[in-house]
Amino acid sequence: DAKTTQPPSMDCAEGRAANLPCNHSTISGNEYVYWYRQIHSQGPQYIIHGLKNNETNEMASLIITEDRKSSTLILPHATLRDTAVYYCIVNSGTYKYIFGTGTRLKVLA
Amino acid sequence: GAVVSQHPSRVICKSGTSVKIECRSLDFQATTMFWYRQFPKKSLMLMATSNEGSKATYEQGVEKDKFLINHASLTLSTLTVTSAHPEDSSFYICSARPGRAKNIQYFGAGTRLSVL
Repeated sequence: DAKTTQPPSMDCAEGRAANLPCNHSTISGNEYVYWYRQIHSQGPQYIIHGLKNNETNEMASLIITEDRKSSTLILPHATLRDTAVYYCIVNSGTYKYIFGTGTRLKVLA
Repeated sequence: GAVVSQHPSRVICKSGTSVKIECRSLDFQATTMFWYRQFPKKSLMLMATSNEGSKATYEQGVEKDKFLINHASLTLSTLTVTSAHPEDSSFYICSARPGRAKNIQYFGAGTRLSVL
């Protein structure tokens, strides 16, 4: 499965949009992009996933570039409860997730 | 929907004892479950893939005899840490995959194991 690269940490003001980037330049055509987040001392929580089209759900939006080599997770109005480590995972359906180091998002009051 | 329950959430045991952790998918059937280990401030590391009715597949470097995995039904997988030692202290997390989804895994809340 493709490797992903994320910035180690980001800050975001409460109420503002949080844009979390992920680079997956070696992604192949059948690989999906998945986003999860892990709040301290809990299991990861599924957020959203996509293949090539942009996706939106009640939690977030996922923007995938046309060449699929990178994506951005957008939390439209960040709250303090969105403070967590966010993981971007690329997977083709081998069922095995490989977690990178993720981005530690801190939402500031 | 898609709730995974993991029990216990926290366990403290003496060195040399065995500890069993349960992972249940509450509202879906999971032919595949996964077990991860996480050290403080580190990412999740996959330990093994658990398939219902068959032997688990362990990742390189994970001791099969130390970490026994049983997936006896479509809603339950167990991880037993045998003869636990202080170096086995860690945060253990399970996940389950509903067959119908696009490989989405749903995670339990994790079990913090402390071996004295």
